[in-house]
Amino acid sequence: DAGVIQSPRHEVTEMGQEVTLRCKPISGHNSLFWYRQTMMRGLELLIYFNNNVPIDDSGMPEDRFSAKMPNASFSTLKIQPSEPRDSAVYFCASSLGGQANTEAFFGQGTRLTVV
Amino acid sequence: AQSVTQLGSHVSVSEGALVLLRCNYSSSVPPYLFWYVQYPNQGLQLLLKYTSAATLVKGINGFEAEFKKSETSFHLTKPSAHMSDAAEYFCAVTNTGFQKLVFGTGTRLLVSP
Repeated sequence: DAGVIQSPRHEVTEMGQEVTLRCKPISGHNSLFWYRQTMMRGLELLIYFNNNVPIDDSGMPEDRFSAKMPNASFSTLKIQPSEPRDSAVYFCASSLGGQANTEAFFGQGTRLTVV
Repeated sequence: AQSVTQLGSHVSVSEGALVLLRCNYSSSVPPYLFWYVQYPNQGLQLLLKYTSAATLVKGINGFEAEFKKSETSFHLTKPSAHMSDAAEYFCAVTNTGFQKLVFGTGTRLLVSP
C-alpha cells in the first residue's frame, strides 16, 4: 500500500489567495484526520471525518478554513483567503475505525507558506 | 481535558548510550498513550502504544515504554542509541470515543558518533 498520499508537498502562495490541500487515505480506512503543525502550537487536530462525515471540526481555526470528504478516497482542506499566519505543515492521517486505541497513519504533509 | 508534557525539547546522546525521553500525562480517565517518531520532512510514524494491556510496551526499532499510573508517566527508552534514531519524538494521549490525539511539544533526539 502506498500509504496516505498528500499533495502538493510544498505550496507557496500570496496572502489572500485560495489554497487547496489534498489527501488520499489508505484504502479501506474509514476515518480521516487533518492536523496542523507549527512551531508555536505544535500538532493540532483540525477536523475528523468518519465514513466521510465530519464528526468534530472544533479545531478548525476560523471560517476561512473548510474541509470536505466527497468520497472514501479523497479529502480536501481549503483556506480562503489565506493569511501569513496559516503558514504551517498540514498533515492528513487515516485509520481503520477511528477508535481511540487504533493507529493513525500519517501522510508526509504539505508545507504551506503564505507570503 | 487531557494533556501530555514532554520534558526537554532536545536530548543529546552518544551512539550506543541509553535513550530516555520523558512524557507525563494528565487525564481524568484511563488514557491511551502513544509515541510517534518524525524524521525530517516526513510524517509521523507510530513507535508504540499503550491501550491498558501490559504496562511495559515494546515497539519498533528497539524502543519500549512503561506506563506508570502512580507517576502518570509513559517514558520512552532504548538501551543503545543508533545514529538512525536521530529524529523528533512525540508523546500523545487520547481517551475519547474517537482518536482525537493530543500531542506533546516533541523532543528532538540528537545522536553523536
